[in-house]
Amino acid sequence: NAGVTQTPKFRILKIGQSMTLQCAQDMNHNYMYWYRQDPGMGLKLIYYSVGAGITDKGEVPNGYNVSRSTTEDFPLRLELAAPSQTSVYFCASEGSRHYNSPLHFGNGTRLTVT
Amino acid sequence: QKEVEQDPGPLSVPEGAIVSLNCTYSNSAFQYFMWYRQYSRKGPELLMYTYSSGNKEDGRFTAQVDKSSKYISLFIRDSQPSDSATYLCAMNRGRSSGGSNYKLTFGKGTLLTVNP
Repeated sequence: NAGVTQTPKFRILKIGQSMTLQCAQDMNHNYMYWYRQDPGMGLKLIYYSVGAGITDKGEVPNGYNVSRSTTEDFPLRLELAAPSQTSVYFCASEGSRHYNSPLHFGNGTRLTVT
Repeated sequence: QKEVEQDPGPLSVPEGAIVSLNCTYSNSAFQYFMWYRQYSRKGPELLMYTYSSGNKEDGRFTAQVDKSSKYISLFIRDSQPSDSATYLCAMNRGRSSGGSNYKLTFGKGTLLTVNP
């Protein structure tokens, strides 16, 4: 199983450009999440989805948009990139409503905005 | 006061040492406590999970939760160079019955290096 796949692995954007970070999972998980991880700052939740067609804001949603048209895919859109969006972005999925079900993370997209 | 505090380290120990990693938290509603391990340039992976207060052991790893002190710990016995990673504590209140209020709060992570 591939698990959670994120593309691209690295990207450099200029200020004001837009891009979509791709996330796909092959585990038929209903719950999917986008986090950003800044050095020394831990993981912050950007958006999450509890199923196809349902998304909601997390802790730091400004400057981002998401969609969930299928169970497998959960892309994250950056419009008008800003230097503050330089970060490592992790997508995660979860397959159960049990409290101890683990998050399955991808290996991240490292984004630099200059 | 931050919801979850975790000493970022870095922590460097010799192989075979006992390692203690800790987090404190302020929200008494937290009931579920997790430790994630993150190797360099990889995503985090769940290492240990505990519910409410008490201890849980898995091989060389022991997770402890003291809800009265709002303090959780992860102990690694006989540490190995392969344990070198960032360890993140995480906790939540659990989901609402509707399943749409899931929120996991992470600590900042502690970078551990085990030297051979």
